[in-house]
Amino acid sequence: GAVVSQHPSWVICKSGTSVKIECRSLDFQATTMFWYRQFPKQSLMLMATSNEGSKATYEQGVEKDKFLINHASLTLSTLTVTSAHPEDSSFYICSAPPIATGGSYEQYFGPGTRLTVT
Amino acid sequence: EDQVTQSPEALRLQEGESSSLNCSYTVSGLRGLFWYRQDPGKGPEFLFTLYSAGEEKEKERLKATLTKKESFLHITAPKPEDSATYLCAVRDNYGQNFVFGPGTRLSVLP
Repeated sequence: GAVVSQHPSWVICKSGTSVKIECRSLDFQATTMFWYRQFPKQSLMLMATSNEGSKATYEQGVEKDKFLINHASLTLSTLTVTSAHPEDSSFYICSAPPIATGGSYEQYFGPGTRLTVT
Repeated sequence: EDQVTQSPEALRLQEGESSSLNCSYTVSGLRGLFWYRQDPGKGPEFLFTLYSAGEEKEKERLKATLTKKESFLHITAPKPEDSATYLCAVRDNYGQNFVFGPGTRLSVLP
């Protein structure tokens, strides 16, 4: 149980284009999902918190107009990188805590999406 | 502000050579401390959650312990397949998001 998928697993796009990344919880529901980015040999940095049915909450320094987040259902959140630039190249990972966790608070992570902007 | 540090940054062990990884944290009201394993190019894989000082959890060759200021991940008789980056994260009482440490890159040589 507690499986999170991401699509695509990797994507290459040209500078100036937009890319959408999907995050799905396959066997549980989540009102909240988190989006992280990770640079090589660095830890995960929280970008934003995706809330089902409401606006996302962005961390300081993250441009909300550049990284559009939509949490349309209890099992799907999407991250759209708009007008991508080479410096947006990174590993993007989503996570979700199951609604019904019986008192535990683990987050389950997706496999990540490698974005390369050329 | 919640903070998490991990040491060492990298650790190289021979197969069978036991050791410990450290996670030191500062948090305003600990809701939980979490250990994850991350292989290159993959998302973190959940290992343990610890909630209160004195708590211990085990899984195969791994054992996690918690005090009021730090957590240890003990690795007993490691095997090459234990090679990965081990991440520690904390969650406070005020939100759902995690604060991650920088990780420890473990290499176990055959």
